[in-house]
Amino acid sequence: AQSVSQHNHHVILSEAASLELGCNYSYGGTVNLFWYVQYPGQHLQLLLKYFSGDPLVKGIKGFEAEFIKSKFSFNLRKPSVQWSDTAEYFCAVKPYGGATNKLIFGTGTLLAVQP
Amino acid sequence: GAVVSQHPSWVICKSGTSVKIECRSLDFQATTMFWYRQFPKQSLMLMATSNEGSKATYEQGVEKDKFLINHASLTLSTLTVTSAHPEDSSFYICSAAPLSFNSNQPQHFGDGTRLSIL
Repeated sequence: AQSVSQHNHHVILSEAASLELGCNYSYGGTVNLFWYVQYPGQHLQLLLKYFSGDPLVKGIKGFEAEFIKSKFSFNLRKPSVQWSDTAEYFCAVKPYGGATNKLIFGTGTLLAVQP
Repeated sequence: GAVVSQHPSWVICKSGTSVKIECRSLDFQATTMFWYRQFPKQSLMLMATSNEGSKATYEQGVEKDKFLINHASLTLSTLTVTSAHPEDSSFYICSAAPLSFNSNQPQHFGDGTRLSIL
């Protein structure tokens, strides 16, 4: 079955520290990849997405992610986090094609940035 | 742009009650809407895909008679939890994809509805 794995359930960082959140998926075919962020009390928002082309994608608020096909990974990075980055981050995969084009989510990583 | 409104945001009701949750796309038309369920500390699990003007497509293990979905217009989908029981308590989230949904169109999410059945 298709699945998405986020290795870190809870990450605590100090401001200005670098961030990398892991995401691996299990699906052998073409995929579209997403990172969503959910700030406290808010809805899920798209942070960045990968469809094709350059495997290093840049999103909003200084985030980027790199798609490594051979590793089935799509890790999220930010060189220097801020207190306002405190949120829950979800990796999601959409296997290309198929009847529903549905998203498969990881379990999420809760990031707490200490000022 | 691309705002999805979900109502109510929180509902508490007695066991045996039926509860309706609305999902509206406010500034775009959505041929496809998705309903997710999220348990504490777990991932969002897709329950069903709601297609405007046709029957919803349910994921394996989701009871279609329990979770009734109606997508009567391009801007509204409803999820009705019939005869709700405490085990139905969860966080329900909808998302909507713009008209002509394809892989290049991300889904836009509502704020979610917290359902608590006593």
